[in-house]
Amino acid sequence: AQSVTQPDIHITVSEGASLELRCNYSYGATPYLFWYVQSPGQGLQLLLKYFSGDTLVQGIKGFEAEFKRSQSSFNLRKPSVHWSDAAEYFCAVGASGFQKLVFGTGTRLLVSP
Amino acid sequence: SAVISQKPSRDICQRGTSLTIQCQVDSQVTMMFWYRQQPGQSLTLIATANQGSEATYESGFVIDKFPISRPNLTFSTLTVSNLSPEDSSIYLCSVGGIGVGEQFFGPGTRLTVL
Repeated sequence: AQSVTQPDIHITVSEGASLELRCNYSYGATPYLFWYVQSPGQGLQLLLKYFSGDTLVQGIKGFEAEFKRSQSSFNLRKPSVHWSDAAEYFCAVGASGFQKLVFGTGTRLLVSP
Repeated sequence: SAVISQKPSRDICQRGTSLTIQCQVDSQVTMMFWYRQQPGQSLTLIATANQGSEATYESGFVIDKFPISRPNLTFSTLTVSNLSPEDSSIYLCSVGGIGVGEQFFGPGTRLTVL
């Protein structure tokens, strides 16, 4: 069965510092991978996705993620965090014909001044 | 991308009652999904709703507890029946995007059961 692990429940980063959120997946074939962000009181917004090709994918709001098959990872990065990036971040893998999504437990990002 | 609205945005309900959540999309879509997000938890898929067919429920979710309607390609409802405090969650609907596996989410309905 597909599964996603986000080992960090909370992360605090100073504004302007770099960010890396970890995501590990378990899937028997080539995965379709996603990062979503959920701001307080909001629905989920797609940040970026990986299907195939270049393993470094660019997303919205200055985010990027790198797919590493050997490590079964799809970590999210941003070189300089802004206070508005404070939110919950979910990694997800496409499953069962890739129409369903299996989500990780999420990482809450706090941004300190 | 699709624009999705949900009603109500939040509600407080008594134990034993039911709540029906509406999901409206601004374009016709084939697949709609209903998720539950329990406090401090991730999203769990409840069911997939295709227009013109019965919803497909995930393991642990049953139609008697979570009946779903999908009368047309832009609308769906999820009813949470016989409410208990354990049903207190955020319920989100989503629709499939153009990209495989891509989904667009509504803002969610926050349900509190007393």
